[in-house]
Amino acid sequence: GAVVSQHPSRVICKSGTSVKIECRSLDFQATTMFWYRQFPKKSLMLMATSNEGSKATYEQGVEKDKFLINHASLTLSTLTVTSAHPEDSSFYICSARGRTDGSGNTIYFGEGSWLTVV
Amino acid sequence: RKEVEQDPGPFNVPEGATVAFNCTYSNSASQSFFWYRQDCRKEPKLLMSVYSSGNEDGRFTAQLNRASQYISLLIRDSKLSDSATYLCVVKAGNQFYFGTGTSLTVIP
Repeated sequence: GAVVSQHPSRVICKSGTSVKIECRSLDFQATTMFWYRQFPKKSLMLMATSNEGSKATYEQGVEKDKFLINHASLTLSTLTVTSAHPEDSSFYICSARGRTDGSGNTIYFGEGSWLTVV
Repeated sequence: RKEVEQDPGPFNVPEGATVAFNCTYSNSASQSFFWYRQDCRKEPKLLMSVYSSGNEDGRFTAQLNRASQYISLLIRDSKLSDSATYLCVVKAGNQFYFGTGTSLTVIP
């Protein structure tokens, strides 16, 4: 099946710094990528949807200046958490909508990134 | 009203039991349906797509009821390794909508 790679898998950063998380589709072109966060034992929460070459569409309540999303190519999207605070500590997951199945109907998830802000 | 609704559970069932989850969706124009499995502290992984005619993969059976706007997942002969959270995902237009997930624990 299609593979989506996310990096880093774990990151610890100091409060006030910025952290970048990468999401790559390895064997298909991802026309659309999605970013989620998930708190322990809670459901996935969609943060934003990004289409290659255009600005991301953020869900209500998600600060676009804090969570910068760049989808510069059909295989790479990045999420930058700026001026991170301890409450930003969470599991961040990306997913990509691809064309391997011909229709682009299926989404595939990256392995997720655990962010801890200290 | 949420686009997709699932009973969060938890469902605790003995090994060997049959368990079923339902997921309702609100947009009648939804065209694609999926079940994903998410293990603790891991990313969701596609379990199976749901086809109009229903489909089966080993112990797993997925069904779609367009009239009542729900999809179901049936797991027969539950194994300990089936313990996970099961997410339903519905595609409408270019949007994917997630249920909150149903937690399943299979008990020895």
